[in-house]
Amino acid sequence: GAGVSQSPRYKVTKRGQDVALRCDPISGHVSLYWYRQALGQGPEFLTYFNYEAQQDKSGLPNDRFSAERPEGSISTLTIQRTEQRDSAMYRCASSLGVGNQPQHFGDGTRLSIL
Amino acid sequence: AQTVTQSQPEMSVQEAETVTLSCTYDTSESDYYLFWYKQPPSRQMILVIRQEAYKQQNATENRFSVNFQKAAKSFSLKISDSQLGDAAMYFCAYRSEAPAGNQFYFGTGTSLTVIP
Repeated sequence: GAGVSQSPRYKVTKRGQDVALRCDPISGHVSLYWYRQALGQGPEFLTYFNYEAQQDKSGLPNDRFSAERPEGSISTLTIQRTEQRDSAMYRCASSLGVGNQPQHFGDGTRLSIL
Repeated sequence: AQTVTQSQPEMSVQEAETVTLSCTYDTSESDYYLFWYKQPPSRQMILVIRQEAYKQQNATENRFSVNFQKAAKSFSLKISDSQLGDAAMYFCAYRSEAPAGNQFYFGTGTSLTVIP
């Protein structure tokens, strides 16, 4: 597609449920990043991949959060046993991954935990 | 880890005037890249301008330009002839050149208001 696509755009779920957030990067982009962004704040790094390899997951808050990119393209961020504090905008970005190439962001998934 | 600091949470500018948003960063690396992103109320993230650390010449994109001071680790964004559509959050970002360092580091943002 023309840009980074994230789905769903909005997700409302009850505390304790598992959620899976999907990111479809720009075709050919090697690097894929997940961020969490609170209102009025900058993107908070969660994890990133080069191809299918997870290069850095130091930003994942705890072991309820995991991400995968099994074929080096689409990625899924999974949050298990959701808590209210997990409510935020979750953003995906992709990049060619070299040099001065910027990140291209998706429109995000707004997650609300009731 | 690198840190990026935007010391101005909010700024305002009169329409058609010029405004400068500040950004400083902390790094021990000599090669890296710097970016400014704009986030309007729609909450999209839009690339405004980029700068390679090895280039001495400041990047320019139409009304947007940067003042890159490598020794001072400063990367300010100047917006000339401000327009109402420039109102947004602006984020400064740093990316390492190191092969294993693809991570981007973002500042906390500056909210720009444009006054008609």
